[in-house]
Amino acid sequence: QKEVEQNSGPLSVPEGAIASLNCTYSDRGSQSFFWYRQYSGKSPELIMSIYSNGDKEDGRFTAQLNKASQYVSLLIRDSQPSDSATYLCAVADGYGGATNKLIFGTGTLLAVQP
Amino acid sequence: ETGVTQTPRHLVMGMTNKKSLKCEQHLGHNAMYWYKQSAKKPLELMFVYNFKEQTENNSVPSRFSPECPNSSHLFLHLHTLQPEDSALYLCASSPGTGAGSYEQYFGPGTRLTVT
Repeated sequence: QKEVEQNSGPLSVPEGAIASLNCTYSDRGSQSFFWYRQYSGKSPELIMSIYSNGDKEDGRFTAQLNKASQYVSLLIRDSQPSDSATYLCAVADGYGGATNKLIFGTGTLLAVQP
Repeated sequence: ETGVTQTPRHLVMGMTNKKSLKCEQHLGHNAMYWYKQSAKKPLELMFVYNFKEQTENNSVPSRFSPECPNSSHLFLHLHTLQPEDSALYLCASSPGTGAGSYEQYFGPGTRLTVT
């Protein structure tokens, strides 16, 4: 059973701080990794994708990937109350094939305190 | 219209009703997906279509019947549902091939309540 694990939280950080969200995955063959943000009552929104080891930055967001340790993380700098949401980690199902499936974690609830 | 659209946004149906959910993507993608999201539970993949062909049925009960007439449209036909089927039903699409083939974009969802 391929799994993606996240701490459900809530992760509470003060406004302006760095929020660090972590995710581990079980399938060593996975090559593609994604972070989605989901506000309460809304659908998931893709915010970052990462395919290579190391860091990828986009504005206040940085995704970090370490395939050897099988973890991926998301850093949010200068956290704002509007960042309060559930963050879903998703991992492509191995080398894919025909299904293009993503395996989602259960999500981490982030609460940014004003 | 842009992105992925879903109709209706809200649906209340009795257990003996038949209804359909509609999804349309305007992104030129080749893969489409149905997910179920229940309160306090992770996303559950239901069906995957690639180039109109069903490539995944994740042990979904037969009271849910998908239809994909072309790469832009996806339907989920519902009949004799149970109260535990009440959930947010999400449609997503992805390129399916090439760079970013796994990047899935979600529609706003249909909030389904079965009474």
